[in-house]
Amino acid sequence: SQKIEQNSEALNIQEGKTATLTCNYTNYSPAYLQWYRQDPGRGPVFLLLIRENEKEKRKERLKVTFDTTLKQSLFHITASQPADSATYLCALDFGSGNTGKLIFGQGTTLQVKP
Amino acid sequence: NAGVMQNPRHLVRRRGQEARLRCSPMKGHSHVYWYRQLPEEGLKFMVYLQKENIIDESGMPKERFSAEFPKEGPSILRIQQVVRGDSAAYFCASSPRGMRDTEAFFGQGTRLTVV
Repeated sequence: SQKIEQNSEALNIQEGKTATLTCNYTNYSPAYLQWYRQDPGRGPVFLLLIRENEKEKRKERLKVTFDTTLKQSLFHITASQPADSATYLCALDFGSGNTGKLIFGQGTTLQVKP
Repeated sequence: NAGVMQNPRHLVRRRGQEARLRCSPMKGHSHVYWYRQLPEEGLKFMVYLQKENIIDESGMPKERFSAEFPKEGPSILRIQQVVRGDSAAYFCASSPRGMRDTEAFFGQGTRLTVV
């Protein structure tokens, strides 16, 4: 079955630095990959979507890459701020035949220290 | 445009009771998904519904759990004869079409505690 791996260890960085989070998957290649942010006690909030034929996507301080050969996505937050502290989830769809549901990784918690 | 509304936000049930969780999708959204999140774990897919139809229930336990999305009214996730292991946060998400190529909008969740 499909497996999605995100670094389970919390990532601690200093304010102003770039945070890089990793999402690896096995078996089938997804047609789409999404990143969400989740704060404690809240529902996930959509950040970015990238398609299998896109190498990179940017939105303000956020950048996502998608390497279908490595079966990996990297999520970058540049000029990080304490307000960026949260858990970040990657979510995958698996193309044709899929009913349209997303499968989520377990998330990586980011802590940005002032 | 109000977001995805879930209620109640917190629900306490004794073992053996029934839990009903409600989800009102965003206006214009006809696709609803339910996910469960156990402490320190990721979101696990349970069921995908469109109006009056269950599209995919592959993540839902075969017993005690059911879901519906009627023509009128909210989507309901129903858990009969709850057990302690059902304690979790249950999230509903909606989208205007399938989740594959568009963002999903999540509610704030219902936190179920079984005592």
